[in-house]
Amino acid sequence: EVQLLESGGGLVQPGGSLSLSCAASGFIFSSYALSWVRQAPGKGLEWVSTISGRAGTIYYADSVKGRFTISRDNSKNTLFLQMNSLRAEDTAVYYCAKDRREGGWAFDFDYWGQGTLVTVSS
Amino acid sequence: DIQMTQSPSSVSASVGDRVTITCQASQGISSWLAWYQQKPGKAPKLLIYAASTLQSGVPSRFSGSGSGTHFTLTISSLQPEDSATYYCQQANNFPFTFGPGTKVDIK
Repeated sequence: EVQLLESGGGLVQPGGSLSLSCAASGFIFSSYALSWVRQAPGKGLEWVSTISGRAGTIYYADSVKGRFTISRDNSKNTLFLQMNSLRAEDTAVYYCAKDRREGGWAFDFDYWGQGTLVTVSS
Repeated sequence: DIQMTQSPSSVSASVGDRVTITCQASQGISSWLAWYQQKPGKAPKLLIYAASTLQSGVPSRFSGSGSGTHFTLTISSLQPEDSATYYCQQANNFPFTFGPGTKVDIK
């Protein structure tokens, strides 16, 4: 059974940093691209970042480029999101999501974690 | 960036009704479109990918169609458990973008 479990969310002041993790199980971790997608309270879904299975290709939304860093540790089946220079508008539930296609890109997401809430406020 | 719009923003229908949601892309995306269902407090769930392919385990009352810029999600016979918000997402190129969502309520 595929499972994705995010952790690391919490309350942080504007300008601060936070690191999110997503522990995965139930699939060949290194064979799949993974993404972070966020959802501000009461709002819709916003794609944040994607990393390929071997971490050779990375994409970011313009809204987080230069502030967020996605990475993965294939030996530990874990995805990360380092978030720096946080702003109030980064407040959201952050989901990790698995690409549907093994060994390539489908660019849609067949499994999602339960999400972790990040609140940026003074 | 490709902009995604959805209509209606909300719909209220009775059990057994046919419900259709429309998604429009600001430029052609071939069939690179996915539909998700999200219930309150839960993660989104993939329903349909490649515009019309039903994800494994999803009830057959859900169907998708379209290509290019115009797409539809149809629930052929609405069930109480279908009360949720539905999002379309273009998977054609970065940045991936989602529609604003359509809330489906049961009368």
